[in-house]
Amino acid sequence: EPEVTQTPSHQVTQMGQEVILRCVPISNHLYFYWYRQILGQKVEFLVSFYNNEISEKSEIFDDQFSVERPDGSNFTLKIRSTKLEDSAMYFCASSSQSGETEAFFGQGTRLTVV
Amino acid sequence: QKEVEQDPGPLSVPEGAIVSLNCTYSNSAFQYFMWYRQYSRKGPELLMYTYSSGNKEDGRFTAQVDKSSKYISLFIRDSQPSDSATYLCAMSGRGSARQLTFGSGTQLTVLP
Repeated sequence: EPEVTQTPSHQVTQMGQEVILRCVPISNHLYFYWYRQILGQKVEFLVSFYNNEISEKSEIFDDQFSVERPDGSNFTLKIRSTKLEDSAMYFCASSSQSGETEAFFGQGTRLTVV
Repeated sequence: QKEVEQDPGPLSVPEGAIVSLNCTYSNSAFQYFMWYRQYSRKGPELLMYTYSSGNKEDGRFTAQVDKSSKYISLFIRDSQPSDSATYLCAMSGRGSARQLTFGSGTQLTVLP
């Protein structure tokens, strides 16, 4: 069964460092998303991406964040200068263009900023 | 008022019980409704997807949407210990972005 794959599963970084979280969406999907979940809190939308550009972003997704689809299979989230409050699970998701909105999530990357 | 409200539980039931999980929402633009299951420190796993009002059944799971009341439900029949997880409702409106708004999740434990 096709699935969304995320790497690494756990990343520890020092405050102020840049991190890149990587995702391989389901191969025939065209919409890509990043969500995050701070421990004990709701899953929150960060950004959606379609046709090589950002479709929508939340107020969380400020200038410290960027997304990229560097090739035909990968989708990345970069945090330029990490803060302690960026510590969370980051989930990548993808969905098809079929008119349905089922989004399939990866297993997540746990980011710990120290 | 929060956009999506979900009773966080925890909810504990004996094996074989019927479980009812619910969410209410305030945004009348929501058209698509989903239920996800999430195990501890894992990604949300899509269980059910429903467009607009009505019922949808898949095995032991039934999803109901009542748009007039802005209320959605997930029923689990013959619950099993393996159903123990956090259940998240999620919804979105029309449009290509398809941003999902999640509830806070209900933690369910099915006791053997």
